[in-house]
Amino acid sequence: KAGVTQTPRYLIKTRGQQVTLSCSPISGHRSVSWYQQTPGQGLQFLFEYFSETQRNKGNFPGRFSGRQFSNSRSEMNVSTLELGDSALYLCASSLPGDTQYFGPGTRLTVL
Amino acid sequence: QQQVKQSPQSLIVQKGGISIINCAYENTAFDYFPWYQQFPGKGPALLIAIRPDVSEKKEGRFTISFNKSAKQFSLHIMDSQPGDSATYFCAASKSGGSYIPTFGRGTSLIVHP
Repeated sequence: KAGVTQTPRYLIKTRGQQVTLSCSPISGHRSVSWYQQTPGQGLQFLFEYFSETQRNKGNFPGRFSGRQFSNSRSEMNVSTLELGDSALYLCASSLPGDTQYFGPGTRLTVL
Repeated sequence: QQQVKQSPQSLIVQKGGISIINCAYENTAFDYFPWYQQFPGKGPALLIAIRPDVSEKKEGRFTISFNKSAKQFSLHIMDSQPGDSATYFCAASKSGGSYIPTFGRGTSLIVHP
């Protein structure tokens, strides 16, 4: 089986812009979670989608949003980018309540 | 409130030595404890996982020791190799349903040749 794929792998944006990141889960996995990883904060949970519904949400401002499509592919959007949003954004897919498998991440740099 | 505390934050070991990383959790509902390995520029990859019905699980040079009463678990890397140099994350979750794993802060391991 192909692993979790994320696009793009690298992204450079300026403050105030918005960005959309994409994640394709492992075939058959309907649960998709997003994480923000920074050196200082480690892995921070953003949100989880299952069957096109947001099932869990972390403690991030409303500028961070996501959605999931009927084929389980997911996107996350960050609006009005801030310098502090620079991070590695990771997507993980799983069967319900099972091990999470991570993608390679999207490295976002905000200038 | 950090539900999974991981230590040490960084670890330097000589080739052939034993690397030990410890994690402690608070929520007694957790019943699944995976360890992830992450190389620079890559996403975390599942290394080994344990459930509390066993006290130890070994896969090659990697062993998880689990102490349910103390709510602690640890990763032991035997005969550490330079290729093991990476960041290691422990996690804890509850299987089934919509439980999201709680991750430790990570341990940066450097194995000197």
